[in-house]
Amino acid sequence: DTAVSQTPKYLVTQMGNDKSIKCEQNLGHDTMYWYKQDSKKFLKIMFSYNNKELIINETVPNRFSPKSPDKAHLNLHINSLELGDSAVYFCASSQRPVETQYFGPGTRLLVL
Amino acid sequence: DQQVKQNSPSLSVQEGRISILNCDYTNSMFDYFLWYKKYPAEGPTFLISISSIKDKNEDGRFTVFLNKSAKHLSLHIVPSQPGDSAVYFCAASQYSGGGADGLTFGKGTHLIIQP
Repeated sequence: DTAVSQTPKYLVTQMGNDKSIKCEQNLGHDTMYWYKQDSKKFLKIMFSYNNKELIINETVPNRFSPKSPDKAHLNLHINSLELGDSAVYFCASSQRPVETQYFGPGTRLLVL
Repeated sequence: DQQVKQNSPSLSVQEGRISILNCDYTNSMFDYFLWYKKYPAEGPTFLISISSIKDKNEDGRFTVFLNKSAKHLSLHIVPSQPGDSAVYFCAASQYSGGGADGLTFGKGTHLIIQP
């Protein structure tokens, strides 16, 4: 019955590796997002994806790429992982971009 | 440049009393404000929202007040209960702009309810 789910919950990996985080929502929402919560606890938008339109926060390195196989999924691919990528990544969804967003439980990424 | 500020990292309140969490914003384009509650190792959970056309919105024990001229909003929880102990995030967006830029969050306030 989980509305927004993410896998894996924890991810520990070496610098330079490529990894993916999966997100699925069963709310029938049209818009999905990825947020990053850094060590200072700020939650910052990385991407929003609505009807095949991708809006990217300009501060996000191009090593990060979202992929949406269908409306219910928005996966996050990260290439050439760096130490500074260590953070908690949250997926979220909303019916429309302007409406209330519902968050997944987060994926805790640690890059060694 | 923090556009949404929560200046109190933590707040301790006795059970049964009122908890007041504050939030300030600098971007005058923000017109939709939300409060989220977050427990450790979980994602933020939506609590309550307010549009800039209102100055108050109430839902059970939770009331959000918006003062547009001061660019300030507050969340009141009354009476406070032990289960309210969590981190509370204030968030803002440009509803009229389509909202596709996502939410801008404050740093959060850790509310501790003392028995």
